[in-house]
Amino acid sequence: EIVMTQSPATLSVSPGERATLSCRASQSVSSNLAWYQQKPGQAPRLLIYDASTRATGIPARFSGSGSGTEFTLTISSLQSEDFAVYYCQQFHHWPLYTFGQGTKLEIK
Amino acid sequence: EVQLVQSGAEVKKSGESLKISCKGSGDSFTGYWIGWVRQMPGKGLEWMGIIYPGDSDTRYSPSFEGRVTISADKASRTAYLQWRSLKASDTAIYYCVRHVRGSPVDIWGPGTRVTISS
Repeated sequence: EIVMTQSPATLSVSPGERATLSCRASQSVSSNLAWYQQKPGQAPRLLIYDASTRATGIPARFSGSGSGTEFTLTISSLQSEDFAVYYCQQFHHWPLYTFGQGTKLEIK
Repeated sequence: EVQLVQSGAEVKKSGESLKISCKGSGDSFTGYWIGWVRQMPGKGLEWMGIIYPGDSDTRYSPSFEGRVTISADKASRTAYLQWRSLKASDTAIYYCVRHVRGSPVDIWGPGTRVTISS
């Protein structure tokens, strides 16, 4: 099973600043990496897939990078609605897709 | 709009059985795998297993194999997740999700909250 490890567990950032979230895979997942955002009381929603492609309707301030085992989600200028929990997921090793444990992005 | 509609919240006792459902609207099932994801209170997302409603091919995560059963009815575009004997540790929100093999999850259901009392 591929283990996905996210860091940090909690990230405190002020509105308008940049946030950088990390995700590491225990073995290569190529570029088959997705990022999801989950707000309290809601289902997650797809932000980024193929490591760097924004999903439909996702603002340009969200960007993803990386390949192999190291990945990054960057939010360039945090808006109030961006404070949430973010999960990475590998979809390279089907059928056992695995999630990271999540990073909580909170207001500083 | 393509969406997955899940059955309502459940409150059960330990030892009871349960079957929750996920119904696809429009073209949301054809050619897709439907999966189930668990989120325990205050915790992260866990991949449980998937089913291809077209032929009921089912795959389980090792952590959930033998504990739950995933099934589907192609004609009614409905997938199911069931337990024969619930435990308190099954208390969680269960999301159904859709994906194509080799692609990420693109649609999530709203979740079904399951609460088990001992």
